[in-house]
Amino acid sequence: KAGVTQTPRYLIKTRGQQVTLSCSPISGHRSVSWYQQTPGQGLQFLFEYFSETQRNKGNFPGRFSGRQFSNSRSEMNVSTLELGDSALYLCASSLGDRVGNEQFFGPGTRLTVL
Amino acid sequence: AQSVTQPDIHITVSEGASLELRCNYSYGATPYLFWYVQSPGQGLQLLLKYFSGDTLVQGIKGFEAEFKRSQSSFNLRKPSVHWSDAAEYFCAVGTNFGNEKLTFGTGTRLTIIP
Repeated sequence: KAGVTQTPRYLIKTRGQQVTLSCSPISGHRSVSWYQQTPGQGLQFLFEYFSETQRNKGNFPGRFSGRQFSNSRSEMNVSTLELGDSALYLCASSLGDRVGNEQFFGPGTRLTVL
Repeated sequence: AQSVTQPDIHITVSEGASLELRCNYSYGATPYLFWYVQSPGQGLQLLLKYFSGDTLVQGIKGFEAEFKRSQSSFNLRKPSVHWSDAAEYFCAVGTNFGNEKLTFGTGTRLTIIP
């Protein structure tokens, strides 16, 4: 069974631009969560989607948004990029939306904002 | 809100030596506890998890962890490390309530010396 895939793997943008990251979950998984990983802040929860509905949202500004499609694929968008948005963005999928469902992580998208 | 503390930022051990990585959590009820490992350029992989029952849990790659409620700890152990264990290790606490399903610690980077 294929794992979680994230595209693109690497991205370079400039301040003020916007970016869209994509996550394809494991087949059959209906929950997708997004995390931001930085050396200073560690792993921080962005949001979670289950059956196309946003279930939870972390403490990030409105510039960060996401969505989930009927096939469970998810995208996250960051508008008006800032230097501090440079990070590894990780996507994780799970069968259900309970914490007991194991989350499988993708390799991440490395975003660099210049 | 839940929180996780990993007091050791970086640990160095010799190959073949035993390992213990510390994790302390803060949560009002019985928590869901996890240990993840992240190799360079990779996403996170679940090593083991604790929900209830036996307080000593076995995981993959020869790792185990012990839940101690009195100490609010969930330390990860391995009797004999291999060079391939060099990675970053994250402890996480989970809940089905509140805004954030998984809260991660800041991680412990493990270096193995021959």
